[in-house]
Amino acid sequence: AQRVTQPEKLLSVFKGAPVELKCNYSYSGSPELFWYVQYSRQRLQLLLRHISRESIKGFTADLNKGETSFHLKKPFAQEEDSAMYYCALEDGATNKLIFGTGTLLAVQP
Amino acid sequence: AAGVIQSPRHLIKEKRETATLKCYPIPRHDTVYWYQQGPGQDPQFLISFYEKMQSDKGSIPDRFSAQQFSDYHSELNMSSLELGDSALYFCASSFSGRSHYEQYFGPGTRLTVT
Repeated sequence: AQRVTQPEKLLSVFKGAPVELKCNYSYSGSPELFWYVQYSRQRLQLLLRHISRESIKGFTADLNKGETSFHLKKPFAQEEDSAMYYCALEDGATNKLIFGTGTLLAVQP
Repeated sequence: AAGVIQSPRHLIKEKRETATLKCYPIPRHDTVYWYQQGPGQDPQFLISFYEKMQSDKGSIPDRFSAQQFSDYHSELNMSSLELGDSALYFCASSFSGRSHYEQYFGPGTRLTVT
């Protein structure tokens, strides 16, 4: 079954601390994985996708097929990073997105 | 740049009433997806359309129907509303001509059923 798991509902860190938002997936085949971010009262925005291997706003994510993980990392958190983060898996046949339950990142000053 | 537009942004209905949610994709995008996000829940896929044809169907109740029109906008029709239908309804669009179909989300319509 296709599934995305984000074990942490809330992650609270201090400004300048490293951040790691965990995401594990279950998918038969070669996965397409994304991280979406939702700032307060704003729409879901694509943060990054594994195929592009880019860094956005200091965030990176590496696909680890052995551990079926796609954790999101940032070395130094900023207050403006506070938001809801969703890990998502794209169904290769239909392109629909399967979301994890989300992790609320709260960066304290 | 133009983004995905959804209307209305907020909608309050009573039980057993009907509601119509509209989605206007980014220009030249040919695929529309609808997602439902209940309170404290992750977005759940409802239905999608490609070139005005239904391309996939998720956990969408029979009371709901949707279509994509010739100008690519889409409407989600919801009848016999129930309290449990209260949620944020997102629409997303993508362009199939890209090698990877990045979905762009609208701001959502918050439906409250009383």
